[in-house]
Amino acid sequence: GQQLNQSPQSMFIQEGEDVSMNCTSSSIFNTWLWYKQDPGEGPVLLIALYKAGELTSNGRLTAQFGITRKDSFLNISASIPSDVGIYFCAGQGVIQGAQKLVFGQGTRLTINP
Amino acid sequence: SQTIHQWPATLVQPVGSPLSLECTVEGTSNPNLYWYRQAAGRGLQLLFYSVGIGQISSEVPQNLSASRPQDRQFILSSKKLLLSDSGFYLCAFGQGKDQPQHFGDGTRLSIL
Repeated sequence: GQQLNQSPQSMFIQEGEDVSMNCTSSSIFNTWLWYKQDPGEGPVLLIALYKAGELTSNGRLTAQFGITRKDSFLNISASIPSDVGIYFCAGQGVIQGAQKLVFGQGTRLTINP
Repeated sequence: SQTIHQWPATLVQPVGSPLSLECTVEGTSNPNLYWYRQAAGRGLQLLFYSVGIGQISSEVPQNLSASRPQDRQFILSSKKLLLSDSGFYLCAFGQGKDQPQHFGDGTRLSIL
């Protein structure tokens, strides 16, 4: 099925470093979402983007919706241990008549203290 | 506030046994409801979605079924589990056009 291209697949960084990950798609989406998933739990919404070119921040997180509505990036500044987890991008739109999400493959973030 | 609950959190079942996972949403009405499966370390695969009571759409052929007996209740079932049904099952709800989906905490299903 449809899938977004998310990179990198994994990151190993030192505490305090900045993080950047991105997603691209061949399709246009109305909404672009970034989720974080901790082990054994469901994904938690971090940032929602609704307008092309929109730049939104949530604390140390910043995300932008591409002008073409086909890509997005997520930046995390000054990483801390609780940032560890898997980050998923997701495009949301009407697909085959229903509101659905298309997910990226995820970026696994590991932080060395 | 809107909340979503899934249970059980973990489940170990023998091959061939039936399954029933339940998901309920509070604080909203007429939500879109979704069941996903997630293989270890992988992305989420949409299994079923529902736009209203009794309305179920299946995304992939499989050994599972879904039902929505009430507006805020979504159930994932199977009559006979297979080994390949093992995985992490997530329920989600969405409210309104372009509003983000929110996920429950998931059920870890292990088939022996």
